[in-house]
Amino acid sequence: GAVVSQHPSWVICKSGTSVKIECRSLDFQATTMFWYRQFPKQSLMLMATSNEGSKATYEQGVEKDKFLINHASLTLSTLTVTSAHPEDSSFYICSANSPKAGDGTEAFFGQGTRLTVV
Amino acid sequence: DQQVKQNSPSLSVQEGRISILNCDYTNSMFDYFLWYKKYPAEGPTFLISISSIKDKNEDGRFTVFLNKSAKHLSLHIVPSQPGDSAVYFCAASASGGTSYGKLTFGQGTILTVHP
Repeated sequence: GAVVSQHPSWVICKSGTSVKIECRSLDFQATTMFWYRQFPKQSLMLMATSNEGSKATYEQGVEKDKFLINHASLTLSTLTVTSAHPEDSSFYICSANSPKAGDGTEAFFGQGTRLTVV
Repeated sequence: DQQVKQNSPSLSVQEGRISILNCDYTNSMFDYFLWYKKYPAEGPTFLISISSIKDKNEDGRFTVFLNKSAKHLSLHIVPSQPGDSAVYFCAASASGGTSYGKLTFGQGTILTVHP
């Protein structure tokens, strides 16, 4: 399968600060990447679609000014949680579809980033 | 509105027996379905998928069955192994111009396989 790498795997930050999470496709180019969030004992919820060279598309209820997404290259998307608050503490995961794997319809996920805001 | 539902929060199975995980969906636009395995603090790992034009797909010990009329799919693992113990997520996507990568997940089922 394809490889999607996320960094950092965990981060603790103070309330009011910003945190940047990187998502890289290591062995393929991804014009589109996806960001999900998972709260404890809940399902993964799609937050936004990251589009290379254009604005991200956010799901209903997700604040675009709080969760800034930049997809500056075909292998890198970043999610910045601005002015983080304790309620933003969650597990953030990115994914991408690789044309190299199968028929390109399987989404491959990064390892996830555990964000804790104190 | 939960469009993909996994009604069993947990399942316990003896090693060597069959594990059957179920998933129901409500959105008729979904035409591609996937199963993922996930450990705590890790990203999901792709297991197997099925297109809506099929009713069965098999890969080694994993088989996925799709019943479109009932909007129901299931994942069969046989024989089950202790290493299969994890959370299993059912996911669905709709094509129609959008990317297959945009997935709607179920709540997950915790599978425990006892030696």
